[in-house]
Amino acid sequence: GNSVTQMEGPVTLSEEAFLTINCTYTATGYPSLFWYVQYPGEGLQLLLKATKADDKGSNKGFEATYRKETTSFHLEKGSVQVSDSAVYFCALSQGGTSYGKLTFGQGTILTVHP
Amino acid sequence: NAGVTQTPKFQVLKTGQSMTLQCAQDMNHNSMYWYRQDPGMGLRLIYYSASEGTTDKGEVPNGYNVSRLNKREFSLRLESAAPSQTSVYFCASRGTGPTNEKLFFGSGTQLSVL
Repeated sequence: GNSVTQMEGPVTLSEEAFLTINCTYTATGYPSLFWYVQYPGEGLQLLLKATKADDKGSNKGFEATYRKETTSFHLEKGSVQVSDSAVYFCALSQGGTSYGKLTFGQGTILTVHP
Repeated sequence: NAGVTQTPKFQVLKTGQSMTLQCAQDMNHNSMYWYRQDPGMGLRLIYYSASEGTTDKGEVPNGYNVSRLNKREFSLRLESAAPSQTSVYFCASRGTGPTNEKLFFGSGTQLSVL
C-alpha cells in the first residue's frame, strides 16, 4: 500500500533560517504529491503540489521537487518567518478520481522564533 | 464565502453515547471526505462521498457511518462512541476544474470520549 514518511519533529528555527523538511514515499505507479499546512486552530490548507516526476511545486517562498528516483518530495524555504510556524504534512494520492483520497505523513511541527 | 463548515467544534462524550458530526460546503463541490487526525499518525480517511448519493469506506471506517444528505452536506455518525475514537475530525471537499487536486478543509471537531 501507499505510505508517506516525514522527518521527525518538532523543528525549531530562528527567523531567516533555511528550512528543509524531508518527505519520502512508497507508492505504486505515479502518484501526485502535496504539502499541506495547518496553522494553529485551523484546518489544513494546500501549500503546494506536484503531479509528475521532476515537477517543482512552489508557493509563498516554499518549494518542493518531485524526485521519482529517490521517491522524495522535500519541502524547502530559504528564509523562514515567525508566521510560518505551523504543522506541515506531506501527502500523496493516486490521482484522477482518487485525488481526495490522500495518504498523509505524520506531520512536522515547525516553530520559528524571532 | 464560508467554504467548509463543521459543527460542533468541541464535544465530550461518554463511552457508548452517540453523536453526529455535521459538515457543509458552499462551493458546489461534488466530492466530500471525513478524516481523523491523531498525534504522530497524520490524517487518515474514514469515509468519502465521490458524488451526491454515493459513499465509500476509507482506511479506518469501523465504528462510523456517514450520510450524504445532499450535495452540500456530509455527516459522520458515531453510533456507540469508544475511547479509541477520541480524535480531531476534519471534513473536506475536493475542488473542481483547475482545483480538482485540492482539498478544502473545515476547521475540525475535537472529540473526547471518556
